[in-house]
Amino acid sequence: GEDVEQSLFLSVREGDSSVINCTYTDSSSTYLYWYKQEPGAGLQLLTYIFSNMDMKQDQRLTVLLNKKDKHLSLRIADTQTGDSAIYFCAERDNQGGKLIFGQGTELSVKP
Amino acid sequence: GAGVSQSPSNKVTEKGKDVELRCDPISGHTALYWYRQSLGQGLEFLIYFQGNSAPDKSGLPSDRFSAERTGGSVSTLTIQRTQQEDSAVYLCASSQGQNQPQHFGDGTRLSIL
Repeated sequence: GEDVEQSLFLSVREGDSSVINCTYTDSSSTYLYWYKQEPGAGLQLLTYIFSNMDMKQDQRLTVLLNKKDKHLSLRIADTQTGDSAIYFCAERDNQGGKLIFGQGTELSVKP
Repeated sequence: GAGVSQSPSNKVTEKGKDVELRCDPISGHTALYWYRQSLGQGLEFLIYFQGNSAPDKSGLPSDRFSAERTGGSVSTLTIQRTQQEDSAVYLCASSQGQNQPQHFGDGTRLSIL
């Protein structure tokens, strides 16, 4: 079945770049997403990429997609303490609209 | 503009009671999803409504769980005879269509004593 994997923790210093990685199994996925979750809150859509793209940039966020290796990454430039949160990678199920989520990566930004 | 609204934000109830969780999607969004987030299982899909089509109930964990979407807008997730393993955050999302990004509410934190 479909599966999405992420590393659980990442710690960076304020001002550095953060790179959060994700692998997925369904090669027919058309859309891949990154969501951010702060404590006690729901999921905030950060960005998404269509499977025919290799890269998407949106201000401090860069998404890279390697379809051959089924690898997705999210780079956050100039990471700030406000970026501390859990980041979820998700693929859209090709049979319907549901999302398949990774376990989430907890990003800790130290001053 | 208004986002996805869920109520209540917190619910504490005794084992064996029934609970109803409500979701108000973004106006005009035809697709509505329920997910569950728990420590042991992560984020799991429960059920999906798209327009007037029959819902995709493939993620509901047992027949104690059901959901309705009245008039193509508000949805209610009902859990009957609650068990302690039902304790989780229940998240609702909506999108303009099946292929559009999903936008989430803040969830209902359900605690079963």
